[in-house]
Amino acid sequence: QVQLQESGPGLVKPSQTLSLTCTVSGGSISSASHYWSWIRQHPGKGLEWIAYIYYRGIIYYNPSLKSRVKISVDTSKNQFSLNLSSVTAADTAVYYCARRSGSSTFDSWGQGTLVTVSS
Amino acid sequence: QSVLTQPPSASGTPGQRVTISCSGSTSNIGTNAVNWYQQLPGTAPKLLIYSTTQRPSGVPDRFSGSKSDTSASLAISGLQSEDEADYYCAAWDASLDGYVVFGGGTKLTVL
Repeated sequence: QVQLQESGPGLVKPSQTLSLTCTVSGGSISSASHYWSWIRQHPGKGLEWIAYIYYRGIIYYNPSLKSRVKISVDTSKNQFSLNLSSVTAADTAVYYCARRSGSSTFDSWGQGTLVTVSS
Repeated sequence: QSVLTQPPSASGTPGQRVTISCSGSTSNIGTNAVNWYQQLPGTAPKLLIYSTTQRPSGVPDRFSGSKSDTSASLAISGLQSEDEADYYCAAWDASLDGYVVFGGGTKLTVL
């Protein structure tokens, strides 16, 4: 059974870049059937999809975040990563990585990691 | 403001049947499958219903999904206390370059 685990700093300063990595275990990130996604949840709020990537580099973005998002995949490490630039307090959220098995079907999730943007 | 609209709250007593609605448009629910997620307090969301009506392995058949035109519904029958959670709908939206949209979530309280 595939497992996902987010890692990265829990505190980022305003205007800096938020960087997170998701490590996939129990399955291959080079799966032909899956994309790999980032989703966030602001404190006490709903879910917001950020982007997802196929192991061959095909990427889909949330239009509202596209200009600040960079997502990449490292098949040798079975990891994928998120960089979100020019962060503000509005980017404070729990960030989840998830496996996509259908256009909006996320069938496996990491436990989530809280990232706080503050000086 | 979420692209998909859900009621912020719903409630029921044990054993009751509860439905949660999710309203969208022709660019999302009207033309694409709907997925539902359950988020228990302090945990990551879990896939509850996929492809509008399908249950992943391990999800009780008390949970069911349906869709009509640009709206979808999640029904929970035989309500149990452990069903108290937040529920989110999601769909692919074909506008712009295409992207995933979520509902704002519905907090279900078991009275």
